[in-house]
Amino acid sequence: DGGITQSPKYLFRKEGQNVTLSCEQNLNHDAMYWYRQDPGQGLRLIYYSQIVNDFQKGDIAEGYSVSREKKESFPLTVTSAQKNPTAFYLCASQGSNQPQHFGDGTRLSIL
Amino acid sequence: GQQLNQSPQSMFIQEGEDVSMNCTSSSIFNTWLWYKQDPGEGPVLLIALYKAGELTSNGRLTAQFGITRKDSFLNISASIPSDVGIYFCAGQLMSGANSKLTFGKGITLSVRP
Repeated sequence: DGGITQSPKYLFRKEGQNVTLSCEQNLNHDAMYWYRQDPGQGLRLIYYSQIVNDFQKGDIAEGYSVSREKKESFPLTVTSAQKNPTAFYLCASQGSNQPQHFGDGTRLSIL
Repeated sequence: GQQLNQSPQSMFIQEGEDVSMNCTSSSIFNTWLWYKQDPGEGPVLLIALYKAGELTSNGRLTAQFGITRKDSFLNISASIPSDVGIYFCAGQLMSGANSKLTFGKGITLSVRP
């Protein structure tokens, strides 16, 4: 079954802890994206990658890090430097001349 | 970063009614997209528009790409309870480094049975 898989669905972070959100796609898409969604807000871009081993900062990259070692995978790490990490995180991918498609999201909460 | 203008933030309609949503921008885009998001889920693509003036339908949904390339609308006809959700518009310049999407804040649609 083709698509974008985000895991886990729910994640809890303790103060001072780094956590990593997983995003995998089997659509053979070159580009992948991470967004943050807060209540009543649109989607804000954290990082994006248009090709393996390359990624770019989005509008709110501070306190986050990513890697793109494989085409299928684009994990997002929420570091302890991110002081307000509670949010819904969405991963998306896009193929050439195609619209972006989204995963089902990961909800991160602080313990 | 820039955001597209979607208003009002919430809309309340009666089942069976039609509803229209507008999305405007201060800059032009080559692609307009409409997504629907259910609570706790990721946005699902409803309609993609690639050409100024294009009018595209998907079942009870119709969307148009504005002639100026700075706006788009989405129309839902004969609404049903499962139309409830948040509707986002997004614009994109599909060229190389400018492949990022710009989103509106979304419109929450409620449908009264």
